[in-house]
Amino acid sequence: GENVEQHPSTLSVQEGDSAVIKCTYSDSASNYFPWYKQELGKRPQLIIDIRSNVGEKKDQRIAVTLNKTAKHFSLHITETQPEDSAVYFCAASGSNTGKLIFGQGTTLQVKP
Amino acid sequence: SAVISQKPSRDICQRGTSLTIQCQVDSQVTMMFWYRQQPGQSLTLIATANQGSEATYESGFVIDKFPISRPNLTFSTLTVSNMSPEDSSIYLCSGAPPIVSGETQYFGPGTRLLVL
Repeated sequence: GENVEQHPSTLSVQEGDSAVIKCTYSDSASNYFPWYKQELGKRPQLIIDIRSNVGEKKDQRIAVTLNKTAKHFSLHITETQPEDSAVYFCAASGSNTGKLIFGQGTTLQVKP
Repeated sequence: SAVISQKPSRDICQRGTSLTIQCQVDSQVTMMFWYRQQPGQSLTLIATANQGSEATYESGFVIDKFPISRPNLTFSTLTVSNMSPEDSSIYLCSGAPPIVSGETQYFGPGTRLLVL
């Protein structure tokens, strides 16, 4: 079955710096890759997603890139702010099952 | 996006008992799922809740322990049966609207379960 590896497990940056979180997946049939942000005690919130027919997607300060050949995708946050501090999860889905397999999560701390 | 609610939001239960968690979506969704999130961990898929038929369980999860119902397109229940302290976790349901091919998922607020 699908396996998703996420790195790093923790990331600390200064406010205004960029943050990059990377994920690799094992199932070449996966075709949908969402990213979720989870604040303490709250539900995961979808922040951006990408499908296998595109290589990059951007939404304001957030971008995701996908390399299908290498089976990895990354989340890029520019101009980080303290409110970006949270746990970020990548996930992969494929074969029209809708099932999401999650990475282990990255705790991002943005220092003011 | 779909608005998803869960009941109860939290509960403290005694070992050996069962708890049923309800998930309600405000609009019809093609797919509903149940996940478990243990403290400080990632989300693990328990099963896909199929409307009008038996749920599809992931490896390591069985129907006797986690019976699931989905009588219509907007409602599902998950029961945690014969609970032990190891079942203490957050249980989340999710739904995927049909307009986006059943892939984009939105999560309920979760049910925080503590088993003593």
